[in-house]
Amino acid sequence: DAGVTQTPRHEVAEKGQTIILKCEPVSGHNDLFWYRQTKIQGLELLSYFRSKSLMEDGGAFKDRFKAEMLNSSFSTLKIQPTEPKDSAVYLCASSSDRLYAEQFFGPGTRLTVL
Amino acid sequence: GDSVIQMQGQVTLSENDFLFINCTYSTTGYPTLFWYVQYSGEGPQLLLQVTTANNKGSSRGFEATYDKGTTSFHLQKTSVQEIDSAVYYCAMRDDTNAYKVIFGKGTHLHVLP
Repeated sequence: DAGVTQTPRHEVAEKGQTIILKCEPVSGHNDLFWYRQTKIQGLELLSYFRSKSLMEDGGAFKDRFKAEMLNSSFSTLKIQPTEPKDSAVYLCASSSDRLYAEQFFGPGTRLTVL
Repeated sequence: GDSVIQMQGQVTLSENDFLFINCTYSTTGYPTLFWYVQYSGEGPQLLLQVTTANNKGSSRGFEATYDKGTTSFHLQKTSVQEIDSAVYYCAMRDDTNAYKVIFGKGTHLHVLP
């Protein structure tokens, strides 16, 4: 079975650019999550979808971060405009909608904003 | 609100040393607790999971015990190996908000050969 895939693995952007990160969840999973990972803050939830519906949009990340799920097998995270403080690893995870289900993570996209 | 606390940011051990990582949690609901492990260049993956029903979990030589009285969920291994070098995250889901996983800040384990 294919796990969660994320592209690109690395992204370098200039301040002010728009970048789009992509994620394909595990086939059959109804829940999809986007996280930001930094050494200081650890894992921070950006967005959560259940059956393609946005359930949580990450509060403090709302203004420049937008996640979409166009179909059950593809999601994007857009950051517009990027700022140097957005430099981090962005992780996508999926799970079944069973109570207390395990999350399966992709390898992440390392974003560097200059 | 709900929280998960991992105080140890970094742990350095030698091979065959005993590993103990401390994790405490706070919730008003009934939690299920997880340990995830993240190797360099990869995303986190589930190491083990414990519910309030069984209190203990084990996987790949690691063991975690859930203590409701002290609201703690520690990870231990009798004899670590260099391949165990990774970041370990304690995490919690509870029945009041079951989709949401709350992660600790992570413990970076470095095992010297």
